Amino acid sequence: QLQLQESGPGLVKPSETLSLTCTVSGGSIIRSNCHWAWIRQPPGKGLEWIGNIDYSGSTYYNPSLKSRVTISVDTSQNQFSLRLSFVTAADTAVYFCATYSTSIGWFDPWGQGTLVTVSS
Amino acid sequence: DIQMTQSPSAVSASVGDRVTITCRASQGISSFLVWYQQKPGKAPKLLIYTASSLQSGVPSRFSGSGSGTDFTLSISNLQPEDLATYYCQQAKSFPITFGQGTRLEI
Repeated sequence: QLQLQESGPGLVKPSETLSLTCTVSGGSIIRSNCHWAWIRQPPGKGLEWIGNIDYSGSTYYNPSLKSRVTISVDTSQNQFSLRLSFVTAADTAVYFCATYSTSIGWFDPWGQGTLVTVSS
Repeated sequence: DIQMTQSPSAVSASVGDRVTITCRASQGISSFLVWYQQKPGKAPKLLIYTASSLQSGVPSRFSGSGSGTDFTLSISNLQPEDLATYYCQQAKSFPITFGQGTRLEI
């Protein structure tokens, strides 16, 4: 059974780059019909899809964030990562990684989420 | 982008009641609709996929229906543990979009 775990700094300064890694356990990150996804949730607000990547490195980004987002995959480490540049306070959120089924269109399972605060 | 609109934004109900939450897509998405339950401080949990298919392990008091642009999530015989926020998500096309959430108060 797949398990996902986010890791990375909980505090990032404005204008700097947010970097998070999601470690996948319980199975290989190399699998078909599956993307690896990042989703965020500002405090007290709803869910926002950031983007997906497949094991070959093909990416799909939210147009609202595309200019600042890079998602990458490291199959040797069974990890995928998120970089969000030029952050502001509006990027303060709980960041979730998740598995996306391309055949069904669901996100499952999810990581527990990690709070990233943008503040000087 | 496909906009997802949920209503109501919040609902209060009692144990044993039946509650219905609506999700409307800005354009047709066939049955590419997913429902999640999110409890405070937790990651969302998959409830229903392809609009009406119940995820394994989810109690049968949860049900989903609809296709095209209009969808509903119904919860019958409400239990205290159903206190949560519920989100719909369209899986028809990128960018993937979520509804704004419906907070259920018991």
